[in-house]
Amino acid sequence: GENVEQHPSTLSVQEGDSAVIKCTYSDSASNYFPWYKQELGKGPQLIIDIRSNVGEKKDQRIAVTLNKTAKHFSLHITETQPEDSAVYFCAAMRGTGSARQLTFGSGTQLTVLP
Amino acid sequence: GAGVSQSPRYKVAKRGQDVALRCDPISGHVSLFWYQQALGQGPEFLTYFQNEAQLDKSGLPSDRFFAERPEGSVSTLKIQRTQQEDSAVYLCASGENEKLFFGSGTQLSVL
Repeated sequence: GENVEQHPSTLSVQEGDSAVIKCTYSDSASNYFPWYKQELGKGPQLIIDIRSNVGEKKDQRIAVTLNKTAKHFSLHITETQPEDSAVYFCAAMRGTGSARQLTFGSGTQLTVLP
Repeated sequence: GAGVSQSPRYKVAKRGQDVALRCDPISGHVSLFWYQQALGQGPEFLTYFQNEAQLDKSGLPSDRFFAERPEGSVSTLKIQRTQQEDSAVYLCASGENEKLFFGSGTQLSVL
């Protein structure tokens, strides 16, 4: 099955700096890569996603890049703010229809220091 | 509703008790997933429904775990004879196409 590895497990940055979280996946059949933000006591919230036919996607301060050949994808947050502090999860989905399954990384605790 | 709703929010069970966790998906969403999240870990897949059909239950850890979605909307995850290792947050997600939207989860504590 799919295996998603995520690094780093913890990340502290100064407010206004950039944060980068990296993930690798094992299954070349994976074709959809979402990122989720989870705050304490809440469920994961979808913040950005990318499909395998796209190399980069940006939404305001958040961007995601995908390298299919190397099987890795990254989340970039620019101009970080204290409210960006949370746990971030990458995930990979393989298959369509009845064979769909989303596999998560182990998470990155991001702390933005004021 | 506006989002995925799960109940109860917290559940404390004595070891050996049966529990039932409910998920109300976003109206119209065909796909429904259950995930288990241990403390400090990423969510782990349990099972997947498309409408009322359970298409994948490969993630259910044992035959004590059972999920259903009889009318293709509300889903229930049942755990029989709970054990301490079942303590976790149980997340439900519904979606259209690939995008999945999660509820806040049910935190299950087995004493």
